[in-house]
Formats: sequence, structure tokens, C-alpha cells
Amino acid sequence: GDSVTQMEGPVTLSEEAFLTINCTYTATGYPSLFWYVQYPGEGLQLLLKATKADDKGSNKGFEATYRKETTSFHLEKGSVQVSDSAVYFCALRISAGGTSYGKLTFGQGTILTVHP
Amino acid sequence: ETGVTQTPRHLVMGMTNKKSLKCEQHLGHNAMYWYKQSAKKPLELMFVYSLEERVENNSVPSRFSPECPNSSHLFLHLHTLQPEDSALYLCASSRGTSGRQGDTQYFGPGTRLTVL
Repeated sequence: GDSVTQMEGPVTLSEEAFLTINCTYTATGYPSLFWYVQYPGEGLQLLLKATKADDKGSNKGFEATYRKETTSFHLEKGSVQVSDSAVYFCALRISAGGTSYGKLTFGQGTILTVHP
Repeated sequence: ETGVTQTPRHLVMGMTNKKSLKCEQHLGHNAMYWYKQSAKKPLELMFVYSLEERVENNSVPSRFSPECPNSSHLFLHLHTLQPEDSALYLCASSRGTSGRQGDTQYFGPGTRLTVL
């Protein structure tokens, strides 16, 4: 079945450090890939997405490139801020066919803490 | 994203109580979802509704009963829950369920449920 694997957390960084959160996937079809962020006490917010191979999603200084050859969608940011402290979820979705629907499959989440 | 609202934000209930969670979306979407987020586990999809018709029941116990009276509202009726049902319950909506580019899921802030 489809699955998403994220790097184990928690990740702790100092402000202005470089961030990478690894995400790899297995899928039977051609998925769209997503990163969601969950700030403390809140629901999930879509951070960025990519719908086909070699696409780069970007938002708020975060980037991720859809790498079909390595089945990866690693999240990066060049200079993190304290306000980036949150839980980050990688997810995939297969376009539906027949009677199925496009189920969203999440990774387990990675906790990021950024210190001043 | 404030297009999906959930009430209440926090709920404490006993195992013999009956309560309901409410979700409302203001995005004109046709599909709505319930997810369960437990500590240290990936988000679990519970139910999917498309145009008020349930299209997925992900092996959820019958003590959870969803209701979708129209495309803007989704309820989760709870009765005789167990302490292990304590979790964050997230509602989401999307334009459709096909998984195509326009079908990004948008999440509400969640209801933090504690079962005593």
C-alpha cells in the first residue's frame, strides 16, 4: 500500500540554521505530494505541494522538490526562525480512479523546535 | 486558513455520555473528512463524505457515528467512548475527492477530546 516515511524527530535548531526534514514515499500510482504544518494548539495548514515529478513547491521560505527517481520530497529552509517551531507532516495523495477516491496518506510528523 | 471551523475546541466526557462534534466549511467544497490524531501515531482517516454521501468508512468503531446533512456541515456523534478514544479530531474539506490538483484538503483547528 501507499506509505510515507519521515525522519525521526524531534529536530532542534538555533535560529538562522539550515533545515532539512527528509520524506520518502512508496506509492502504487503517481501521487501528489504535500507538506502540512501544525502549530501548537492548531489544526494542519497546507505549507506547500507538488503535483508531478521535478516540480518544486515553495512557501514562506520553505521548499521541497518532487524527486521521482529517489521517491523523495525533502523539506528545506535556508534560515529558520523561532516562529517555525511546529510539527511538520509529509503526505501523499493518489488521484482517484474508478470508484476510489484520492486518499491522503500522512507520515508520522516531525517536531521542529527552534531556539533563539 | 479560517475556512474550516470546528466546535467545540475542547471536550471532556465520561464513557457513558453522548456528545457531538461539529465542523463547518465556508469554502464551497463538496467533500468533507474526519481524521483522528493520537499521540505518536500518524493521522488516521476516519470518514469521507462527497456531496453528502459517505464514500469511505475506514474501519471505525460504531461508537463513532458521522452525519453530513449538507455539503457545508459535518458532525461526529460520540457515544459510549473509551479512554483510548482521547485524541485530537480534525475535520477537513476539499473541492472534490478525486485527488486532482484542485483537491487540496483544508483542515480545521480540531477538537481536543478527553474521555474519562
